[in-house]
Amino acid sequence: NAGVTQTPKFQVLKTGQSMTLQCAQDMNHEYMSWYRQDPGMGLRLIHYSVGAGITDQGEVPNGYNVSRSTTEDFPLRLLSAAPSQTSVYFCASRAQGALRSFQYFGAGTRLSVL
Amino acid sequence: RKEVEQDPGPFNVPEGATVAFNCTYSNSASQSFFWYRQDCRKEPKLLMSVYSSGNEDGRFTAQLNRASQYISLLIRDSKLSDSATYLCVVILHNAGGTSYGKLTFGQGTILTVHP
Repeated sequence: NAGVTQTPKFQVLKTGQSMTLQCAQDMNHEYMSWYRQDPGMGLRLIHYSVGAGITDQGEVPNGYNVSRSTTEDFPLRLLSAAPSQTSVYFCASRAQGALRSFQYFGAGTRLSVL
Repeated sequence: RKEVEQDPGPFNVPEGATVAFNCTYSNSASQSFFWYRQDCRKEPKLLMSVYSSGNEDGRFTAQLNRASQYISLLIRDSKLSDSATYLCVVILHNAGGTSYGKLTFGQGTILTVHP
């Protein structure tokens, strides 16, 4: 009954450091995505994937990389963290081919970049 | 104009009150609609889908007005536990380059129910 699992829940980085936010789902969903949520900005799409080996950019992709080697996992990499990347990050997944399918979200990662 | 717009509120209502939120969308070709609820410092969770004929789930009623391009959420007999941010979600099918369509979130409406 895990759904979408994100790790870590909290992280503090220094400017210039790199890190990977992990996301895994056990629902066999093809579609996975990463969002960031900032006060007054709502949820903004960073990257998404429609299946293993396929990724694409969302609304705010700069500074982030993703890969999708398996259906289950969709990690988000910050190559050189900047204070502007301080945010709450949510990973989400949706069922394949269901136009009315809704998204399941992970519990989020709270990231602070100093 | 934003693709999906919500009144951010906050709406402050007493227990037992009826409260309604609207969410407008700009693309008339949008085809799927949802309401999510997000508690403070938590992830968004699906509250209900919105069907063309309107639908009800207990104290919650969702409506779709295609002519005016908005969806609404009505909460009757508000409870303290209804305090949260309510997000509307609009899916534009056959967009975004995939069969999944383009999913857009509103910024959310904050509801506070007080004793």
